[in-house]
Amino acid sequence: DVKVTQSSRYLVKRTGEKVFLECVQDMDHENMFWYRQDPGLGLRLIYFSYDVKMKEKGDIPEGYSVSREKKERFSLILESASTNQTSMYLCASETGSGNTIYFGEGSWLTVV
Amino acid sequence: QKEVEQNSGPLSVPEGAIASLNCTYSDRGSQSFFWYRQYSGKSPELIMSIYSNGDKEDGRFTAQLNKASQYVSLLIRDSQPSDSATYLCAVNNYGQNFVFGPGTRLSVLP
Repeated sequence: DVKVTQSSRYLVKRTGEKVFLECVQDMDHENMFWYRQDPGLGLRLIYFSYDVKMKEKGDIPEGYSVSREKKERFSLILESASTNQTSMYLCASETGSGNTIYFGEGSWLTVV
Repeated sequence: QKEVEQNSGPLSVPEGAIASLNCTYSDRGSQSFFWYRQYSGKSPELIMSIYSNGDKEDGRFTAQLNKASQYVSLLIRDSQPSDSATYLCAVNNYGQNFVFGPGTRLSVLP
């Protein structure tokens, strides 16, 4: 089975703090994604990566950056957390052929 | 802008009935289609994928695809209370991005 692991499940951070969300997949997938999900707004793509050190902006990249130094690991960085970034963050991976996208369990971030 | 639309619901059906969930998409180049189930507070999990026109059955679930009408649906037979969840439709055009619909909330009443 595909395993996408988000190491931080529940975080509470203060406004202005730098936040790292880590994601690891174990299936040698080419593509990895970061989404956020908010009530009434559905899944919104923040960034995706199709290869090591490669990244593409999604629909809502402002306030976020990403890092992919190794194929299996994709990190989401909030340089200076703000209260409007309180959300559930979902990491996902996919083979690169338009096949199934697999999600991690999600990271619930609260910024106070 | 590529869009995927779903009725947000809630769709309420009695236990044992057939639940019908619908999805339309705007990108005619879309090639692969997915249905995900998401329980409250959990991440989406894949139910079915479909790539060709017609029906695809897996247990109590049937996905139906009509590319000419840009329409994909999910039927759940013999609905159970445990099927109560939000169902997300997702579309991909063999590119690197998936477009998700807003989801339909299904409530199966005992």
